[in-house]
Amino acid sequence: DAGITQSPRHKVTETGTPVTLRCHQTENHRYMYWYRQDPGHGLRLIHYSYGVKDTDKGEVSDGYSVSRSKTEDFLLTLESATSSQTSVYFCAISESVRFADTQYFGPGTRLTVL
Amino acid sequence: SQQGEEDPQALSIQEGENATMNCSYKTSINNLQWYRQNSGRGLVHLILIRSNEREKHSGRLRVTLDTSKKSSSLLITASRAADTASYFCATDGGGTYKYIFGTGTRLKVLA
Repeated sequence: DAGITQSPRHKVTETGTPVTLRCHQTENHRYMYWYRQDPGHGLRLIHYSYGVKDTDKGEVSDGYSVSRSKTEDFLLTLESATSSQTSVYFCAISESVRFADTQYFGPGTRLTVL
Repeated sequence: SQQGEEDPQALSIQEGENATMNCSYKTSINNLQWYRQNSGRGLVHLILIRSNEREKHSGRLRVTLDTSKKSSSLLITASRAADTASYFCATDGGGTYKYIFGTGTRLKVLA
């Protein structure tokens, strides 16, 4: 596996609480992505980063924010978690600006919002 | 909306048989990738095919791309129980570094 870790791996929280998920990479790749995976929807892009402090929205960004202060870390924050955000969250990285580049995925974080 | 849609949603075959799954997409692309996901794990890249390629091979995998039909197929030959996984296609939507994934095909290979 590429050097990508996600923490925590599992989390149960209550509606209305803030939650931060961390993605850490040791590959020095420029691009980082957050996806959520839900049954019947496949993977949907939440936010992505194309460099330190450079981020942009994906297709399902409402209710999520991200930050990237270092190349190796990409944080996903749910400011006020809702039950609809119960999902499995995957971080991915890619190396270059070429759109033909491969994405490497982390092991995922299973989040349950009660 | 999903750029890639896989078909079938689920497939069950015997070990040694070939498995074929298809992906259809909506807009022009520069390339298409296939990924595998084992249960409880992240996705793993299998193969990339560019829009100017029609067929590509990697070991027991064969991918075809028909840009006129906006479709791709993934063939796994001589399947093994270890091939049991979900398979996803991902398209680039025509020139961005954001990939759009389909909903996946769940393949079960019976020993």
